Amino acid sequence: DAGVIQSPRHEVTEMGQEVTLRCKPISGHDYLFWYRQTMMRGLELLIYFNNNVPIDDSGMPEDRFSAKMPNASFSTLKIQPSEPRDSAVYFCASSLGIGAYEQYFGPGTRLTVT
Amino acid sequence: GESVGLHLPTLSVQEGDNSIINCAYSNSASDYFIWYKQESGKGPQFIIDIRSNMDKRQGQRVTVLLNKTVKHLSLQIAATQPGDSAVYFCAENTGNQFYFGTGTSLTVIP
Repeated sequence: DAGVIQSPRHEVTEMGQEVTLRCKPISGHDYLFWYRQTMMRGLELLIYFNNNVPIDDSGMPEDRFSAKMPNASFSTLKIQPSEPRDSAVYFCASSLGIGAYEQYFGPGTRLTVT
Repeated sequence: GESVGLHLPTLSVQEGDNSIINCAYSNSASDYFIWYKQESGKGPQFIIDIRSNMDKRQGQRVTVLLNKTVKHLSLQIAATQPGDSAVYFCAENTGNQFYFGTGTSLTVIP
């Protein structure tokens, strides 16, 4: 398997623009996670899905952020409108289960909002 | 102005020496722990895990020790190599809740 795939790897956009980050989890993994990593706050869980259904979105910063998982092989994280403070590396991860299961992380998307 | 951010603990070791990275966790009910390694420009990668009913687990060149009494986790890397240079995170899991530590930056000096 190719592992978790994320696109784009780098995104530079202007404040106010819509940004869409994409993730393809490992086939057969029932759980998908979106994280944000910054120097200020470290690695933060934003939201996770089980079988395409959002389970816990308590980490989503505000209404500007939304995530969807239309099918088992694709998820998006959208920021609209984007702000400079959204600049971070966004990771997607997937796992076979929740709890005592390893999460497999993608390479991340580095987002810069100017 | 001066930026305020996470001040990652740092550890520098000579190549060939053993490394010990420590982590304090917060929830006494946590029942599963993982160590991840994150190299520059990459996502975290699983290294080793341990369940709360164990106090030690060994892998290839790595050992994880769990002390539930003081809620402390450590990662020992034997014969540290330059490729071990990275940020190491511990993660604790309680049911469906899991938390990542802030990480420790390991630098291996050739």
